[in-house]
Amino acid sequence: GAVVSQHPSWVICKSGTSVKIECRSLDFQATTMFWYRQFPKQSLMLMATSNEGSKATYEQGVEKDKFLINHASLTLSTLTVTSAHPEDSSFYICSARDLRGTGPNYGYTFGSGTRLTVV
Amino acid sequence: KQEVTQIPAALSVPEGENLVLNCSFTDSAIYNLQWFRQDPGKGLTSLLLIQSSQREQTSGRLNASLDKSSGRSTLYIAASQPGDSATYLCAPPQGGSEKLVFGKGTKLTVNP
Repeated sequence: GAVVSQHPSWVICKSGTSVKIECRSLDFQATTMFWYRQFPKQSLMLMATSNEGSKATYEQGVEKDKFLINHASLTLSTLTVTSAHPEDSSFYICSARDLRGTGPNYGYTFGSGTRLTVV
Repeated sequence: KQEVTQIPAALSVPEGENLVLNCSFTDSAIYNLQWFRQDPGKGLTSLLLIQSSQREQTSGRLNASLDKSSGRSTLYIAASQPGDSATYLCAPPQGGSEKLVFGKGTKLTVNP
């Protein structure tokens, strides 16, 4: 089945530094990937849609200059949290859609998530 | 805008019980609906994907139903086991788009 690998699984960084999170589709190509953020005991909130070869689409209220997304290949999207602050501490999860199915016969596969702690 | 509500928010049952988790959504213009489980501190594992043309989908002890017209989906778990303990999330897409919308989930605890 479709597998999405996310790395690192956890990271601690100092306030003001930048952190990069990788999301890879291992056995399928993904023209579109999605980045979510989840605060404790809250639901997943979509941050942005990553589009291969073009600019990401950000949800309302998400700062595109702070959360840089790059989708340079059909199997890799990266999220860089720039100038991280403690309020950016959260659980970040990516997902991708396997398009090998036809029409609406697809499902989303999620990575294992990255726990970011900014100190 | 799609809004998702899951009831109950938490559920604790003894091992072996059959149980039902409920999901309601406001925008019924969806192609499908997906159920996931999330273990603490982990990503999401897909459980079932129901197409809008289907009314039910089964995988092992799990059965999910979808009633688009009423904006409801249920996840039925038969003969629950301690390993089923997790948070269960339903995720219909935002109507007419690829974006999934999540509820807060139902936290299930199955006691041995």
